[in-house]
Amino acid sequence: EADIYQTPRYLVIGTGKKITLECSQTMGHDKMYWYQQDPGMELHLIHYSYGVNSTEKGDLSSESTVSRIRTEHFPLTLESARPSHTSQYLCASSAGISRGLTTFGSGTRLTVV
Amino acid sequence: KQEVTQIPAALSVPEGENLVLNCSFTDSAIYNLQWFRQDPGKGLTSLLLIQSSQREQTSGRLNASLDKSSGRSTLYIAASQPGDSATYLCAVRSENSGGSNYKLTFGKGTLLTVNP
Repeated sequence: EADIYQTPRYLVIGTGKKITLECSQTMGHDKMYWYQQDPGMELHLIHYSYGVNSTEKGDLSSESTVSRIRTEHFPLTLESARPSHTSQYLCASSAGISRGLTTFGSGTRLTVV
Repeated sequence: KQEVTQIPAALSVPEGENLVLNCSFTDSAIYNLQWFRQDPGKGLTSLLLIQSSQREQTSGRLNASLDKSSGRSTLYIAASQPGDSATYLCAVRSENSGGSNYKLTFGKGTLLTVNP
């Protein structure tokens, strides 16, 4: 049973549009993450947060931005979508201890046309 | 910088076979290692989490081992079924990641196909 939710599941949008990918978790986890995954390729961390009002860029440079105003919510925004942003975006969370499990959402598959 | 390698990249087996997937990592200073399953176009499902102090974890037909000193983990799948077909990912949470020691470093995965 999913405790971390991503919406929308699929999104097809035109170039230049602003989009927000939603991610919410009900586990009270402090740590949240966004990964990007192209088809058949490995996951790359693009953003992470260690708590409210804390956000950091990940290993892979991304034009997206994130915010963490509430513990349970970690949305990702693209101000002006481009075809190069077409990918799958996966949100994850983990407890505020080093031994904790990392749990992933179902992902958002974004296509920019 | 932690690097995770998974071998083989792809594996095709007949139904009923026992199989082993391999994962190696370059920095043995880890908190834990997690095995995931990913179905095509879907998110990741956690299979097993092994803490750095543990040697193995079991869940049903799955058994994961960890040899931290040699930087290796294996995922053993017993009596494989067509429903096991998916990509299996290994990920480590490293101690030596500076301020970002809660993030996971992933391997590229092993694509498993179990044929009926």
